Amino acid sequence: QSALTQPASVSGAPGQSITISCTGTTSDVGRYNLVSWYQHHPGKAPKIIIFEDNKRPSGVSNRFSGSKSGNTASLTISGLQAEDEADYYCYSYAGSSTFYVFGSGTKVTVL
Amino acid sequence: QVQLAESGGGVVQPGKSLRLSCEASGFIFRSYAMHWVRQAPGKGLEWVALISYDGSNTYYEDSVKGRFTISRDNSKKTLYLQMNSLRPADTAVYYCVRTSGREVPFDFWGQGTLVTVSS
Repeated sequence: QSALTQPASVSGAPGQSITISCTGTTSDVGRYNLVSWYQHHPGKAPKIIIFEDNKRPSGVSNRFSGSKSGNTASLTISGLQAEDEADYYCYSYAGSSTFYVFGSGTKVTVL
Repeated sequence: QVQLAESGGGVVQPGKSLRLSCEASGFIFRSYAMHWVRQAPGKGLEWVALISYDGSNTYYEDSVKGRFTISRDNSKKTLYLQMNSLRPADTAVYYCVRTSGREVPFDFWGQGTLVTVSS
């Protein structure tokens, strides 16, 4: 299974909204409602922010939202804040016989 | 609260061995499968290995199969990664990660421990 495709970088000004795409195939993103997203500030523990395509764990800001269309999942960050500057990774379940492959990662910069 | 604390990283020569540990607290460790995930310098996240809640099943990424062994001691609430025949390409921060199943596959992460393989 190949890594899911994400843009290398996305940027936005404070208060704006940005969207990060995660493109897979009909075998993973397009087949299961099991895309998750992770926020990683360098030097810190990564943190899950979206699971099952669009659900937020308790404690995660509602400025983060997930969606999906066909083989592409998306993470939208609204009301961009300085603290949102981090790396973001997607992951999709791809069946019980397939091991775990993350997206290529997207660096978010707050201008 | 859930806490995962990795230890055991360091600098090691190619071909040598190292054992990582991950001490868990704040949840019923014996009820959860656990992963090791790594991040090489300047690279993205790469899954390394998975162990079932009771240790009866283990799975590995192809490049570490036969060299790394994941294990656990539920009485000590500790996860391990024995790394043998280390290569420079194994240089990375290694994270211990809890899984709550395919719906929430990587729900809590440790801070990571750095392994550097260099002569």
